[in-house]
Amino acid sequence: DVKVTQSSRYLVKRTGEKVFLECVQDMDHENMFWYRQDPGLGLRLIYFSYDVKMKEKGDIPEGYSVSREKKERFSLILESASTNQTSMYLCASSPRTASSYEQYFGPGTRLTVT
Amino acid sequence: AQTVTQSQPEMSVQEAETVTLSCTYDTSESDYYLFWYKQPPSRQMILVIRQEAYKQQNATENRFSVNFQKAAKSFSLKISDSQLGDAAMYFCAYLNTGGFKTIFGAGTRLFVKA
Repeated sequence: DVKVTQSSRYLVKRTGEKVFLECVQDMDHENMFWYRQDPGLGLRLIYFSYDVKMKEKGDIPEGYSVSREKKERFSLILESASTNQTSMYLCASSPRTASSYEQYFGPGTRLTVT
Repeated sequence: AQTVTQSQPEMSVQEAETVTLSCTYDTSESDYYLFWYKQPPSRQMILVIRQEAYKQQNATENRFSVNFQKAAKSFSLKISDSQLGDAAMYFCAYLNTGGFKTIFGAGTRLFVKA
């Protein structure tokens, strides 16, 4: 089974702190994604990566950055956390093969910024 | 830009009954994929069913089936013989063939009554 893990299920940080969210997948997938999930808004794409060291902005990249130094690991960084970044963060991965396009999700990190 | 609309924030169904979740989308593309994902409470999101736009036949997976109306840009999910384990948030999603960016709807929360 594909496994996508995230470093924390729950996280509480203070305004202005630097926050790291890590995601690891064990299926050698080329593509990895970071979303935030808010009630009534569904999932919104923050950043994605289609290869090591490659990254592309999604719909809401402001206030976030990412890092992909290894194929299996994709990190989301909040340089200076703000209260409006309180949300559920979901990581996902997918293979590049055209037969699938299915995304495999991690359990999510519920981040609270106070 | 593509959009996905789920007009039912919440639905409820009696155990063993059938329920249909609605989804409409907007695109000018002819080649794309549509998905229904399920997010159970406090559990990881998983793929329920996938439909390729070029296929006229509606996809089915056990108790789950879709009604894909390409001209109307409609993609509803029918759950037959509903079970308590079907209670979850359901997301409709769209992806251009060959693309990276999956567009998600706002979600429909399904309650199953015993």
